[in-house]
Amino acid sequence: AQSVTQLDSQVPVFEEAPVELRCNYSSSVSVYLFWYVQYPNQGLQLLLKYLSGSTLVKGINGFEAEFNKSQTSFHLRKPSVHISDTAEYFCAVSDRAGTYKYIFGTGTRLKVLA
Amino acid sequence: EPEVTQTPSHQVTQMGQEVILRCVPISNHLYFYWYRQILGQKVEFLVSFYNNEISEKSEIFDDQFSVERPDGSNFTLKIRSTKLEDSAMYFCASSPPGELFFGEGSRLTVL
Repeated sequence: AQSVTQLDSQVPVFEEAPVELRCNYSSSVSVYLFWYVQYPNQGLQLLLKYLSGSTLVKGINGFEAEFNKSQTSFHLRKPSVHISDTAEYFCAVSDRAGTYKYIFGTGTRLKVLA
Repeated sequence: EPEVTQTPSHQVTQMGQEVILRCVPISNHLYFYWYRQILGQKVEFLVSFYNNEISEKSEIFDDQFSVERPDGSNFTLKIRSTKLEDSAMYFCASSPPGELFFGEGSRLTVL
């Protein structure tokens, strides 16, 4: 069975500074990996996804993530954050067969400070 | 672009009442899912549905929950006798299979 670990529950960062949100996964099979953003009282918005191919994935709003199979990680990065990036970020993993269900991490609250 | 739609967006109910949350998945998708997110917590898998039957369910999905695809287009989640702890956002998703596409969610408040 898969699992996802987001070790950082909160990450404060100053505006225009870079940020990295960490995600590690555990699975015995090949996986798909995803990052979602959730603004207060809203639904899940897909930021980016890794299905196959290049391990560096670019997403919306200037975010990118790198799939590292040896370290079983899929960390999310942005070179310069804005106040509007303040939100909850969830990493998710899916196996490539079975029911294709996603398992979500516990989330990281990114707080961008002026 | 096709999307998953959920109704209602917000429902308030009294404890012990039955609730049905409705979802219209993307046409031609084969897998359907319900997830739950209690306020301030992570998104939790409830159930997956394929070929008109439950393919997998979590330990959260106990006897008070049921799912149905009554007419080939809608996908419903029924909570038989709601409890205070059922208050949450419920997300529906569908999949071709492969990637999941989520709806905007239905917020359930149990008083």
